[in-house]
Amino acid sequence: DAGVIQSPRHEVTEMGQEVTLRCKPISGHDYLFWYRQTMMRGLELLIYFNNNVPIDDSGMPEDRFSAKMPNASFSTLKIQPSEPRDSAVYFCASSPASTGELFFGEGSRLTVL
Amino acid sequence: KQEVTQIPAALSVPEGENLVLNCSFTDSAIYNLQWFRQDPGKGLTSLLLIQSSQREQTSGRLNASLDKSSGRSTLYIAASQPGDSATYLCAVNPYNNNDMRFGAGTRLTVKP
Repeated sequence: DAGVIQSPRHEVTEMGQEVTLRCKPISGHDYLFWYRQTMMRGLELLIYFNNNVPIDDSGMPEDRFSAKMPNASFSTLKIQPSEPRDSAVYFCASSPASTGELFFGEGSRLTVL
Repeated sequence: KQEVTQIPAALSVPEGENLVLNCSFTDSAIYNLQWFRQDPGKGLTSLLLIQSSQREQTSGRLNASLDKSSGRSTLYIAASQPGDSATYLCAVNPYNNNDMRFGAGTRLTVKP
């Protein structure tokens, strides 16, 4: 398996623009997670899905953030409108229910000017 | 709320040395604990996963132990190499696939 695949790897945008980050989890995994990593706050869980259903979105910072998982092989994280404080690396991760072992993608580095 | 602490924040050792990285957590009711490695600009790579019923896991030169009663885990790296230089993070899963809590990491530098 190719692992968790994220796109884009880098995104530079201007304040106010819409940003969409994409993730393809490992095939067969039951859970999908979106994390954000910054120097100040470390890794933070934003939202996670179980079998495509959002379970906990309490980590989503504001209504500007939304996430969807229309099927088992694809998820998006959208920020609209984006702000400079959203600049961070956004990671997608997936895990099988059998072990709970977490596998991460390479991340999407977002810079909002 | 589960808090995860990693000490030291940074560690520099000469090549060949054996070393121990520490991870402590506040709530012993965990489902599993996972150690990761992160290279600069990269994602997290899973190193070892310890289920709550296990005491340790080994992979090559790596050995991770878990003591739930004391809220501690250690990652032992034998015969360190420059290629081991990275940030090592531990993460605690309080329930299966719920809000996994990460430590801030230990930045390891192995000097040739």
